[in-house]
Amino acid sequence: DADVTQTPRNRITKTGKRIMLECSQTKGHDRMYWYRQDPGLGLRLIYYSFDVKDINKGEISDGYSVSRQAQAKFSLSLESAIPNQTALYFCATSDLGAGNSYEQYFGPGTRLTVT
Amino acid sequence: AQSVTQLDSHVSVSEGTPVLLRCNYSSSYSPSLFWYVQHPNKGLQLLLKYTSAATLVKGINGFEAEFKKSETSFHLTKPSAHMSDAAEYFCVVSGLNQGGKLIFGQGTELSVKP
Repeated sequence: DADVTQTPRNRITKTGKRIMLECSQTKGHDRMYWYRQDPGLGLRLIYYSFDVKDINKGEISDGYSVSRQAQAKFSLSLESAIPNQTALYFCATSDLGAGNSYEQYFGPGTRLTVT
Repeated sequence: AQSVTQLDSHVSVSEGTPVLLRCNYSSSYSPSLFWYVQHPNKGLQLLLKYTSAATLVKGINGFEAEFKKSETSFHLTKPSAHMSDAAEYFCVVSGLNQGGKLIFGQGTELSVKP
């Protein structure tokens, strides 16, 4: 089984709808992240969480919210979806690795289309 | 502030020829640097990482990268391209005070011609 799973893998929704993307991990990591990927822009950080009680905004948090239900679960919500939130969304986890590096492990992604 | 620039949005090579994907970074602190690969319709996989140990870093699938502080570069190379190397590659930087946050480059799409 994959270490980082995301559900759903694909979703089409309408403008104004609320939608939740879910992420679960079995790596036992404290740190979890949500990114969105747009062509030509790389990945941009939406929110991150260092533990269950520590949640922080990333560079593009407007229009999004998150919930860290447990160490292993980190959900991303779009309260009122808009078309420019159409993107590929990735969840990632990390822990302190060798040389003080925080190597991140990514889920398979959720492709979200807002019509 | 930290940033990373991938100098080519698209690189095309022939199978069996060398691969060079260029990356320059900016960091006020000793950075950790990574290369990730994303195959079509797949998630991101770590190719290799630099964490202030050896400046020449070897990764999976025959890839390697050299950290050059004087040039603020971390270019990715492979001596001989294979068709399965066709993918998008991301250069990524993280700093000691960034708490694990990664800054991604824009990505370089590698095409491999038969």
